Amino acid sequence: AQSVTQLDSQVPVFEEAPVELRCNYSSSVSVYLFWYVQYPNQGLQLLLKYLSGSTLVKGINGFEAEFNKSQTSFHLRKPSVHISDTAEYFCAVRLSNTGKLIFGQGTTLQVKP
Amino acid sequence: DGGITQSPKYLFRKEGQNVTLSCEQNLNHDAMYWYRQDPGQGLRLIYYSQIVNDFQKGDIAEGYSVSREKKESFPLTVTSAQKNPTAFYLCASSISGGYNYEQYFGPGTRLTVT
Repeated sequence: AQSVTQLDSQVPVFEEAPVELRCNYSSSVSVYLFWYVQYPNQGLQLLLKYLSGSTLVKGINGFEAEFNKSQTSFHLRKPSVHISDTAEYFCAVRLSNTGKLIFGQGTTLQVKP
Repeated sequence: DGGITQSPKYLFRKEGQNVTLSCEQNLNHDAMYWYRQDPGQGLRLIYYSQIVNDFQKGDIAEGYSVSREKKESFPLTVTSAQKNPTAFYLCASSISGGYNYEQYFGPGTRLTVT
């Protein structure tokens, strides 16, 4: 069965420090990969997506992610975080055969001053 | 401004009552989706519709119903049969149901049933 696992439920980090939010997936078919951000009591906003091509994907707000097919991972990184990056982050995979979007459980990024 | 509108933002109901959540989009998207979000569980798909007058069950459709009479509207009814309806509900849309089209999300409705 297909699944998405975000390995950390909470990630505390100090302002201006680098951060990595980890995402692993399991699928028997090829997938397309997404990271979304959710600010409190709001909907989800797309940060970046990987459909094909270069495995390093750059998104909005200085975030980037790298697709690693052999490790079935799609970790999100930012070299220097801001207080305003405090939010919940969701990794999602879209199955190539059904188009269904499967979400991970989410990772709360807490940026401290 | 194009986007997705969900109303109301907060909704309170008594147990045993049906309640309908509104979702409207002016993006001219063919596909629309309803998700339920619970703490620590990510988003789970309730129903989706790829075209007007057609919709399919998602992973947790029991206790919910939808209609798609207009392209821009996809209301969700939470019925009294839904055993645990208190949650945050998110509506989304995409150009079509194809795999390479991103989903755009509305601001959500937080439903509390007591």
